[in-house]
Amino acid sequence: KNEVEQSPQNLTAQEGEFITINCSYSVGISALHWLQQHPGGGIVSLFMLSSGKKKHGRLIATINIQEKHSSLHITASHPRDSAVYICAVSKWGGSQGNLIFGKGTKLSVKP
Amino acid sequence: DSGVTQTPKHLITATGQRVTLRCSPRSGDLSVYWYQQSLDQGLQFLIQYYNGEERAKGNILERFSAQQFPDLHSELNLSSLELGDSALYFCASSVESFGGGRYNEQFFGPGTRLTVL
Repeated sequence: KNEVEQSPQNLTAQEGEFITINCSYSVGISALHWLQQHPGGGIVSLFMLSSGKKKHGRLIATINIQEKHSSLHITASHPRDSAVYICAVSKWGGSQGNLIFGKGTKLSVKP
Repeated sequence: DSGVTQTPKHLITATGQRVTLRCSPRSGDLSVYWYQQSLDQGLQFLIQYYNGEERAKGNILERFSAQQFPDLHSELNLSSLELGDSALYFCASSVESFGGGRYNEQFFGPGTRLTVL
């Protein structure tokens, strides 16, 4: 079983819809990262969080440490949000660079 | 633009060959991380350097090696290449390594796409 699981694997939405991507992990962590990978391959770090909630524009990330679960929400989705969203964790006590990655959620937003 | 640069963008080579991938971190970032993304394995951490010294090792093959130079740029050397080494190789950088429980956001370069024929 993978230490980081994401769901769903694929997601198709209509423009304007509220989107939720889930991430569950089975190890103790120091931080959880949400990354966005564009169709061209580039990776952008969206959030790094270890507790609570963070918001940036239309994106919101939450984490529940007790339940070992994080969600990424996109409000008022837009076709430019189409990308692969990847959850990754830094194991507790490990190097911050030693990330364990989920397999990603491929999001397609239709106009 | 993350401020992290990687060269070359694309690399096509043959099995058995050796290649060098280069990464320049964001100005002021002391930590450099290398990741491999292949179709079957997804993203994997390879190795981390902090201010010239190796800090952590992940799933890096013995045929691969890396170093970070005094100007903080880093190189990933891949030798005796096999078909399975074909992948996207990303470099990322951050302000500092793990210290005092504080973790820092990583900034990713555009990647080098390696094709081994």
